[in-house]
Amino acid sequence: DAGITQSPRHKVTETGTPVTLRCHQTENHRYMYWYRQDPGHGLRLIHYSYGVKDTDKGEVSDGYSVSRSKTEDFLLTLESATSSQTSVYFCAISEGTYGYTFGSGTRLTVV
Amino acid sequence: AQRVTQPEKLLSVFKGAPVELKCNYSYSGSPELFWYVQYSRQRLQLLLRHISRESIKGFTADLNKGETSFHLKKPFAQEEDSAMYYCALPNAGGTSYGKLTFGQGTILTVHP
Repeated sequence: DAGITQSPRHKVTETGTPVTLRCHQTENHRYMYWYRQDPGHGLRLIHYSYGVKDTDKGEVSDGYSVSRSKTEDFLLTLESATSSQTSVYFCAISEGTYGYTFGSGTRLTVV
Repeated sequence: AQRVTQPEKLLSVFKGAPVELKCNYSYSGSPELFWYVQYSRQRLQLLLRHISRESIKGFTADLNKGETSFHLKKPFAQEEDSAMYYCALPNAGGTSYGKLTFGQGTILTVHP
């Protein structure tokens, strides 16, 4: 067990609807991240958190918001989903210097 | 700003052949670099860190500061090495919050 789970694993949603993805960790790591994975772009940081209620934007944050009310949970919300947000979303956790542990990913399709 | 470049999107080799996945970086200071691997439909997992100087699954990577490279090498590729490989670099600065910048990834295919 990697100590980090993402839900849902797959989701199909319609354009314009809100979507929330959940990342849950049992490792008590301070840092949590949301990335999206797209062909040709690799992994791009959407938002990250450095503590409860402490979050900041990454390089591709437009159209996304996050919340972290507990150490173990980091939520990613697409306020109004668009087709350009069709992607695979990965959550990761870190203690800062040892690299990341990743979740299994959420495959999101916006139709 | 730091940058990681993996010049090859796709790399194909035959089983038993040597393989080298290229990674170049730009960074001010002494970087710590990582290689992550993603097998088909699995989560990304850490393959190796330059600072630990370990050899994992037969892979090694040497940091070349002069060429700003951190190429991943294996002398004899196996079919199970077929995967997506990402090179990653920590963000610079005192408040980097552990963030990593990833390259675009290289898909390695090892043919039987």
